Amino acid sequence: AQTVTQSQPEMSVQEAETVTLSCTYDTSENNYYLFWYKQPPSRQMILVIRQEAYKQQNATENRFSVNFQKAAKSFSLKISDSQLGDTAMYFCAFKDTNAGKSTFGDGTTLTVKP
Amino acid sequence: DVKVTQSSRYLVKRTGEKVFLECVQDMDHENMFWYRQDPGLGLRLIYFSYDVKMKEKGDIPEGYSVSREKKERFSLILESASTNQTSMYLCASSPARFHEKLLFGSGTQLSVL
Repeated sequence: AQTVTQSQPEMSVQEAETVTLSCTYDTSENNYYLFWYKQPPSRQMILVIRQEAYKQQNATENRFSVNFQKAAKSFSLKISDSQLGDTAMYFCAFKDTNAGKSTFGDGTTLTVKP
Repeated sequence: DVKVTQSSRYLVKRTGEKVFLECVQDMDHENMFWYRQDPGLGLRLIYFSYDVKMKEKGDIPEGYSVSREKKERFSLILESASTNQTSMYLCASSPARFHEKLLFGSGTQLSVL
């Protein structure tokens, strides 16, 4: 079974600064997807960014980028130029390409301070 | 806007009551999921469904059942609610069996007293 570990329960960052959220996972599969989801105080979970394991290039979505280290089974999220609206809980998730379900980490609560 | 809609945002029930949590999606998605979210435990999968009248157990199915009579609707049933089922319940859907991305509803906070 796959496991996803987020070792930072809480983090904070000053507005406009950069912050990195950590995620490690354990799997014996070779083909899979990794995701970061954001859950703001409104509770609506939305996808921030995704990475296909077969791609060596790290995914980027505007201010959000990942550092995907397949051999180390590490998948960190970097948020640049942090904004107050980035305050949320962030979940790292894993999905095997041959399975229907996703496995989530415990989440990291990020607070962006003005 | 495409949507996953959960019928209740907050729900308060008594121990022993039968509880129905409803989820409807308007995107013609095949897959639907019920997760439970608890502080420090992340999201844990209760049940999921790949098609109408099909269901599969997730990681924590005990005390729950599901129903999917129509493609757009996936119901989570607590046959006899207990206090340890007090939690946030999230419904999600995705368009195909091996599709990677989930679309979530806004959650139902259930309190069992």
